[in-house]
Amino acid sequence: NAGVTQTPKFQVLKTGQSMTLQCAQDMNHNSMYWYRQDPGMGLRLIYYSASEGTTDKGEVPNGYNVSRLNKREFSLRLESAAPSQTSVYFCASSVESGNTIYFGEGSWLTVV
Amino acid sequence: GNSVTQMEGPVTLSEEAFLTINCTYTATGYPSLFWYVQYPGEGLQLLLKATKADDKGSNKGFEATYRKETTSFHLEKGSVQVSDSAVYFCALGATDMRFGAGTRLTVKP
Repeated sequence: NAGVTQTPKFQVLKTGQSMTLQCAQDMNHNSMYWYRQDPGMGLRLIYYSASEGTTDKGEVPNGYNVSRLNKREFSLRLESAAPSQTSVYFCASSVESGNTIYFGEGSWLTVV
Repeated sequence: GNSVTQMEGPVTLSEEAFLTINCTYTATGYPSLFWYVQYPGEGLQLLLKATKADDKGSNKGFEATYRKETTSFHLEKGSVQVSDSAVYFCALGATDMRFGAGTRLTVKP
C-alpha cells in the first residue's frame, strides 16, 4: 500500500521557472493538503481540498496554485518560482477534514 | 480562528528523563487533537490523538490528555530513550489542519 506518493523528490529551479508538484493517494481519502516546511517555521498550510471539486487557501497561498484533478490527485503549481519558495513540500491526505492526516515523504525544492 | 501554540525548543534531555512538551490551542467547537513525530529525513507520522475532552491518547509510552478547561494537550513520556530524538508537532483537527511550530527533542545517552 503506497499511501501518499509525491513527485519529484528533489528539484532545483531557476528563479522565474515554473513547475508542478504531483501528489496521489490510494487510500480513497476525501481531503488533501499541501504544506511547506522551513527551518524554525514548522509546517504551514499552503492549500487544501476538503473534498473532490473544492480547494481553499491555507496560511501561505501566495505564489502557488493547486488543482484537485480527481479524488486521488492534488497538484501544486509554482508559476514563477522565487528563492523564498525554497522549502520542503509535503502532500497529505485524510479520510475527511479534521481526521488523522497521512503524509507523503516530502519534496525538496531549491530555487536559485 | 483555529490555532495551535507549541512550546518552543530545542529540548535536550538525558536518557530516562521525564519529558513534557506543552501545547495549547484555540478553536471553535471541540476538534480532535493530535501529536505527530518527524524523524530525521522523513515525513510526519501520527504519534497519538484524542477526539474529545478528557480523552487520553497514548502510544509508544507517550501520553497526552485533551483538557478543555485549560485548552491544552501536553505531550508526556516518563522515560525517554535516545531513539525518541525527533521533532514533535501538535496539531488541531479542523478543516484546515493546523500544526504547531514543532519542538526538536534530543536525547543523550
